Amino acid sequence: DAMVIQNPRYQVTQFGKPVTLSCSQTLNHNVMYWYQQKSSQAPKLLFHYYDKDFNNEADTPDNFQSRRPNTSFCFLDIRSPGLGDAAMYLCATSRSRTQPQHFGDGTRLSIL
Amino acid sequence: QKEVEQNSGPLSVPEGAIASLNCTYSDRGSQSFFWYRQYSGKSPELIMFIYSNGDKEDGRFTAQLNKASQYVSLLIRDSQPSDSATYLCAGYEGGTSYGKLTFGQGTILTVHP
Repeated sequence: DAMVIQNPRYQVTQFGKPVTLSCSQTLNHNVMYWYQQKSSQAPKLLFHYYDKDFNNEADTPDNFQSRRPNTSFCFLDIRSPGLGDAAMYLCATSRSRTQPQHFGDGTRLSIL
Repeated sequence: QKEVEQNSGPLSVPEGAIASLNCTYSDRGSQSFFWYRQYSGKSPELIMFIYSNGDKEDGRFTAQLNKASQYVSLLIRDSQPSDSATYLCAGYEGGTSYGKLTFGQGTILTVHP
């Protein structure tokens, strides 16, 4: 089945230790998104790629970066995680910027 | 700041009843609206989308859109305990934030047997 796959499902890292989360898709969608979701809050958009065109939200911390080496893969890099970065990180894809977004299962990030 | 507001919850309905979830939005440029269901600890799951004024039905779910009133709703008929979840309303922004999906804060629905 075509889908959005996030790895790992759970990630534990130490305060200040860089971490990379990955997302892959078999839907061949042009747009890929990264969201951060904390408990009892709505998903918060961090970045999105329309094809290779990168769009960064104004309030996304500089600590967060993203790479999309090809259509299928997208990565979220957190350079120096702080305790406040503990959250669920969600990857989503859509065919275009008006079409439904389909989410992966998410990566739950914990900071020690 | 473009906003999507959902009616206050949590909402509790008995099994078999109709659950009504409501949402208003501030961006008149928004054209596409979505309802996501999110179980605790899981990722959002798309259950309905609507682009045109009127009603759209899919099984037990009906989405309604009224662009003049800037209002979106979701009706769940014959509610089941398995429908208990947080429901997120979302709409794409227009203008300079084109392509950004804005979510409401969510409504927690509990369906009790």
